Amino acid sequence: QVQLQQSGPGLVKPSQTLSLTCAISGDSVSSNTAWNWIRQSPSRGLEWLGRTYYGSKWYYDYAVSVKSRITVTADTSKNQFSLHLNSVTPEDTAVYYCARGYHANGWSPWGQGTLVTVSS
Amino acid sequence: QSVLTQPPSASGTPGQTVTISCSGSSSNIGRTTVNWYQHLPGTAPKLLIYANDQRPSGVPDRFSGSKSGTSASLAISGLQPEDEADYYCEAWDDGLNGVFGGGTKVTVL
Repeated sequence: QVQLQQSGPGLVKPSQTLSLTCAISGDSVSSNTAWNWIRQSPSRGLEWLGRTYYGSKWYYDYAVSVKSRITVTADTSKNQFSLHLNSVTPEDTAVYYCARGYHANGWSPWGQGTLVTVSS
Repeated sequence: QSVLTQPPSASGTPGQTVTISCSGSSSNIGRTTVNWYQHLPGTAPKLLIYANDQRPSGVPDRFSGSKSGTSASLAISGLQPEDEADYYCEAWDDGLNGVFGGGTKVTVL
């Protein structure tokens, strides 16, 4: 059974970088699947942010809305992947989720969610 | 403003059938499959339907999905109190990548 455990700070100051990590158990970050970051806020609803997947090399796809500010990385030694979102503003306040899978088979499971507040 | 359009709410009494619509365009639902997620407050979203009409193992057959053209729908038959939740459709958009509906809150009366 695949499980995703998220970690990271719940408060980030404006203009700084939001960083979250998703630790994987029951699967490998370099297996034949994708690893996604998704967020939910009252103003923007559910929003897919980006993903990484391995296929002889690492690939990354990012949502247009955050493409200039986002980086998703994978750490095979720790079997985890991370989200880094720089130059955050209060608009980036949301519950952030990690999730496994490609769209074709649906995203499952999801991490437990992390509420990140951007405030000084 | 979500890319996919869902009604904000739906309701029914126990045992009834509730249907939720999801409207998109030729750049998303019209060209890819649709997934549905159930979201209970305080928990992580759960995959309910994938590839338009496929149920992951463990999802009751009371939940069914369909797609036609640029629209999709989720039906919950034999509505039960534990079905009270928010439901989201999701598709892959050419250029925008993953896109969601705004969610439909289902209330069991």
